[in-house]
Parts: sequence; structure tokens; C-alpha cells
Amino acid sequence: GESVGLHLPTLSVQEGDNSIINCAYSNSASDYFIWYKQESGKGPQFIIDIRSNMDKRQGQRVTVLLNKTVKHLSLQIAATQPGDSAVYFCAEILIYTGRRALTFGSGTRLQVQP
Amino acid sequence: SQTIHQWPATLVQPVGSPLSLECTVEGTSNPNLYWYRQAAGRGLQLLFYSVGIGQISSEVPQNLSASRPQDRQFILSSKKLLLSDSGFYLCAWTKGQAKETQYFGPGTRLLVL
Repeated sequence: GESVGLHLPTLSVQEGDNSIINCAYSNSASDYFIWYKQESGKGPQFIIDIRSNMDKRQGQRVTVLLNKTVKHLSLQIAATQPGDSAVYFCAEILIYTGRRALTFGSGTRLQVQP
Repeated sequence: SQTIHQWPATLVQPVGSPLSLECTVEGTSNPNLYWYRQAAGRGLQLLFYSVGIGQISSEVPQNLSASRPQDRQFILSSKKLLLSDSGFYLCAWTKGQAKETQYFGPGTRLLVL
């Protein structure tokens, strides 16, 4: 299968626990952020997004928190399930460049233990 | 609904051979299109993006090129592959101005031997 994230930082959690995945971004001009989930051998899937005029947004079992002061983004997954095991990437839009292309973080592997 | 296709899914090519990867989007018009490469253990590196037919922007100097012959078709090419071109190639689309979220295709795994 796809060997995505062989050397990525790994978060291991028990099934049913909550997971928190963190991401630091570098550009204070970024005003749109996205979390993606990538399963082995597949393309990234959109999970949730947040704009810089917000500090929290909730979806189904997921919450994204944005702290612009320290340029930090987190993804919280409630009641983690085995199907949540994947590599998670945060991405930011560098609006000032005008090119509307995403810059991705290096990713975190989430392993859910049954 | 919109869908994005990539082919082939897997490709093994010898060093020095040409390359052509294709990406097509259905269910939308005038999308922005993107090519990314993902090496093992790494995030996604943007290679090219296109805001319209014949309009290509290159992000990094490399052995690859891109073309957009039709509104919903994006092609990644090389005249002579290098070992370092191996990786997982992802195509993505976005509606553009009003919506920045990029949606990804299933990817093409390229192994250059």
C-alpha cells in the first residue's frame, strides 16, 4: 500500500478517546485554513475549514481551533474510531501571493488502538 | 456533483522514458487545477497550478511540465524521467474565487526505476 508518512510524528490513542492534532503555521497573512485526512494509498479528503475571522468551528465529531496570536491550529476528534486512523494535514492559503494555492504542513499520523 | 479522475493509478517507468499523467474534472466549469507531488514521509509539494486553458504557473524548477488543453483537463508530463521523479502525484481542483477548498483526486503512484 501507499507508504505515506513513514517518518511522520505519530499520535496513538485508544478507541473512544478524544484526539487532538496540532499544527503550527508560519504566515500571519494566511486567512483560510483546512484540515485534510489522507488514508493509505488515497488522495487527501477535506475534513473541515476555518477562516481567520473565527477561532473555532465545529463539524460532525470534529472541531478546529485557531489561535492567530501564536499561529497555531488544532483538530479535535471526539470519540475516535478505528476508521479515523490516517495521516492528517493542515493547509493554509497564502492570500498575499494572490495565487490561491495551499501550503501544506508535514502531517501527523493518527493511530487508533482498539 | 463534482468528481475528479486521475489515471493511471499506478505506473512503473524506466529512467529516461517520457511521462504523461492525466487529470479530469467533471461537474464543474472553469475550475482552478493543481498538481502536487507527495514523497514518502512528506507533505504535499505544489508543482503547477492553472486558472484557465493554456494558463500554467510553475512553483518549482524541475524536470516536469504541465498543460491544460481543455477547461477540465490537466496533464503532467516529462520528456525524460529521473529517479527523483518517483512519488505520489495528486491532482486537485477548486472553484476559484469564492471557494478555496481544494478537492483531491485519487492520485497516481509513479515509480521510476
